[in-house]
Amino acid sequence: DAKTTQPTSMDCAEGRAANLPCNHSTISGNEYVYWYRQIHSQGPQYIIHGLKNNETNEMASLIITEDRKSSTLILPHATLRDTAVYYCIVKGYSTLTFGKGTMLLVSP
Amino acid sequence: DTEVTQTPKHLVMGMTNKKSLKCEQHMGHRAMYWYKQKAKKPPELMFVYSYEKLSINESVPSRFSPECPNSSLLNLHLHALQPEDSALYLCASSQDAVNYGYTFGSGTRLTVV
Repeated sequence: DAKTTQPTSMDCAEGRAANLPCNHSTISGNEYVYWYRQIHSQGPQYIIHGLKNNETNEMASLIITEDRKSSTLILPHATLRDTAVYYCIVKGYSTLTFGKGTMLLVSP
Repeated sequence: DTEVTQTPKHLVMGMTNKKSLKCEQHMGHRAMYWYKQKAKKPPELMFVYSYEKLSINESVPSRFSPECPNSSLLNLHLHALQPEDSALYLCASSQDAVNYGYTFGSGTRLTVV
């Protein structure tokens, strides 16, 4: 599977949009972009995934560039409960492999 | 039911003990997974079961022994563990082992003393 690159940490003010970037320049045509998050000492939680079109659900939006080499996860109105490690994972016909992720800290 | 349930939530065991971790899902998923997560590190895959058969063992020491009694249950039997095996053990499931994302349980926090 293609590797991903994410910033180590990001800060966001409560109520503002959090935009988390991910680079995956070696992604293949059959590989999806998945986003998970992990709140301290809990299991990873699925957020959203996409292939090439932008996706939105009740939690977040996923914007994938036209060349598919990068994506952005958007939390439209961040709350304190969104403080977590966010993992961007590229997955094809294989297992889910976690990188180091981005630690998002939402502050009042 | 859209959950993966893991028991116990916390476990403390001695190095000579034998214990088991349990994982259960009722979503009809046919693939189940064990991950290990050390503090401040990402989860690492240990085992994959697909249609109740072990399909991947990521070179895990034999003191960890997985078992899949049926399509809803996954166990991890522990024997003669070391203190460095202390970690959060996560179970996950998916519709199959190839095409879908995973649903994770909340984990078992294991401490080996």
